[in-house]
Amino acid sequence: SYVLTQPPSVSVAPGKTAKITCGGSNIGSKGVHWYQQKPGQAPVLVISYDSDRPSGIPERFSGSNSGNTATLTISRVEAGDEADYFCQVWDSSSPCVFGAGTKVTVL
Amino acid sequence: EVHLLESGGGLVQPGGSLRLSCAASGFTFSTSAMNWVRQAPGKGLEWVSSITGSATKTFYTDSMKGRFTISRDNSKNTLFLQMTSLRAEDTAVYYCAKVPFGVPGYFDSWGQGTLVTVSS
Repeated sequence: SYVLTQPPSVSVAPGKTAKITCGGSNIGSKGVHWYQQKPGQAPVLVISYDSDRPSGIPERFSGSNSGNTATLTISRVEAGDEADYFCQVWDSSSPCVFGAGTKVTVL
Repeated sequence: EVHLLESGGGLVQPGGSLRLSCAASGFTFSTSAMNWVRQAPGKGLEWVSSITGSATKTFYTDSMKGRFTISRDNSKNTLFLQMTSLRAEDTAVYYCAKVPFGVPGYFDSWGQGTLVTVSS
């Protein structure tokens, strides 16, 4: 089955840039989606199809995908961005796969 | 506004059964693929099952095939998950999530979840 690999945690100072990676075999050929989940809340879609931002999601959130790595970038990080972030793809062998999640801590 | 409301969770003994429901409103239910995603306490998201808008196709994660059955009633805008032979490791919050089109893809709206606890 297809596996997505995320770093368990990322720490970033306010105002700086956080990059969260999602590794997978030839992930660049797949559409990658990203979700933000705050404690006690349901997940929220922040990026679809690698880099599309749903309405209501700040422009500070962006995404890219190439080769074996997809990346969610949070620019000008704010305290309110502290959350778990999960990547997700549909794969013919799995078919729906989530990464294990990355906890973003704002210092 | 999209609204998804799960119900049916609770405490069940190992080997028991439970039926979850998800009442949907605020969008055209019959044209949206629907999904169940679960999250064990303190763990990550785990996809459970998906069903196309027309209910012609269903998809399951391997570990739940044969034990869980997803279905939908488009006349009542309701999604279901019938769970049987429940195990302690099925303990989780179960979320209902919609896709913005008729076949599986990404999840643009989620319910608040319903907690299933499997314990004797």
